[in-house]
Amino acid sequence: DITVTQSPDSLALSLGERAAINCKSSQSLFSTSDNKNYLAWYQQKSGQPPRLLIYWASTRESGVPDRFSGSGSGTDFTLTISNLQAEDVAVYFCQQYFTSPGYTFGPGTRLEIK
Amino acid sequence: QLRESGPGLVKPSETLTLSCPVSGGSVRSGDYYWNWVRQPPGKGLEWIAYIYEGGITKYNPSLKRRVAIYMDTSRNQFSLKVRSVIAADTAVYYCARARLAADAFDLWGPGTLVTVSP
Repeated sequence: DITVTQSPDSLALSLGERAAINCKSSQSLFSTSDNKNYLAWYQQKSGQPPRLLIYWASTRESGVPDRFSGSGSGTDFTLTISNLQAEDVAVYFCQQYFTSPGYTFGPGTRLEIK
Repeated sequence: QLRESGPGLVKPSETLTLSCPVSGGSVRSGDYYWNWVRQPPGKGLEWIAYIYEGGITKYNPSLKRRVAIYMDTSRNQFSLKVRSVIAADTAVYYCARARLAADAFDLWGPGTLVTVSP
């Protein structure tokens, strides 16, 4: 089975700075049949359900600010949040859907503002 | 929109039943998988199961022997049963829609807390 890890566990940055959250898969998430990486990113604010930010590793969901971007391929991926805003305080999860048994989420990264 | 409904409190060894009515769309749509995901308090997300096009199902192997997902097209909803619940099943349960064109969960219910306790 594929396992997904994230780093760091938490980070605290100042307003306006850039955050980088990493996600690593135990197996490649790249599909040669359609040239897609089956990796998504979610934001979860306190007391709310997760919100989809990025899918296929780098495609931004409709309505998501362009401060959020995804990159990477294969087994290593990064979510970058530019120009941090107070409303970005949340836990961020990556999720893979490439092979059985189904969807797998990373453990999450907590982002705080200094 | 999605909104979970469930009992809130369940005793150990009982069966938990959760439902998720779908408004503004049809559970028969071939564009989506209909999922259940749970999150123990203060912890991460665990995918439980999905159902697709009225009958195709897939389960997390770690839960497969105790859970069942099904669809009621007459009520336009999908549901989850968890048998023989234990304390470790205490969690916020979310119903979520996965868009096939993205293979990601693009719509979530607000979640419902289920506590397993005598």
